[in-house]
Amino acid sequence: DAGVIQSPRHEVTEMGQEVTLRCKPISGHNSLFWYRQTMMRGLELLIYFNNNVPIDDSGMPEDRFSAKMPNASFSTLKIQPSEPRDSAVYFCASSFQTGGTDTQYFGPGTRLTVL
Amino acid sequence: DAKTTQPPSMDCAEGRAANLPCNHSTISGNEYVYWYRQIHSQGPQYIIHGLKNNETNEMASLIITEDRKSSTLILPHATLRDTAVYYCIVSDTGTASKLTFGTGTRLQVTL
Repeated sequence: DAGVIQSPRHEVTEMGQEVTLRCKPISGHNSLFWYRQTMMRGLELLIYFNNNVPIDDSGMPEDRFSAKMPNASFSTLKIQPSEPRDSAVYFCASSFQTGGTDTQYFGPGTRLTVL
Repeated sequence: DAKTTQPPSMDCAEGRAANLPCNHSTISGNEYVYWYRQIHSQGPQYIIHGLKNNETNEMASLIITEDRKSSTLILPHATLRDTAVYYCIVSDTGTASKLTFGTGTRLQVTL
């Protein structure tokens, strides 16, 4: 199994530009999570999907952030317009949630730098 | 409010057991204890989880006290590759597990 795949691994952009981060979860998993990690705030959950439906987006910082999951094998996190304070490492994770416990598997992350 | 309390850092000699403590005094009956670790520049990695019984897998052992207010993660023979930040998390599984990561314990394994 290839694990969770994220692209790009590194992104450098200028303030005001649109940024799209991509995630391919592990095949067969039904839950997908987007996290953001910074030195100041640590690792924060932004949003999670179950069966492609957004369940909780309370961690999304503001309207500039949006996430979609058009099918079970693909999700995007978009920032428009980007700002320097959005610089962080963004992780995607997936799991197979059956109503009991589940284990989240994390991707390698996308390091975003907004100049 | 933080659900777990962990020491900020610990050292361990290579080959020795690493015992990482975690306090979760407000844990409720349906909350599990999860442990993840994050090696520098990588995504977090699941280690183990438990409800009230002690658990063991190929990576580690999890000892949960009888009152469930604290737990200990044990790496039986620490290696340099175990140097990482270890997160203890309590989570109620509903539709999906919402993991709230605290600051964790930075374990440094030394020669």
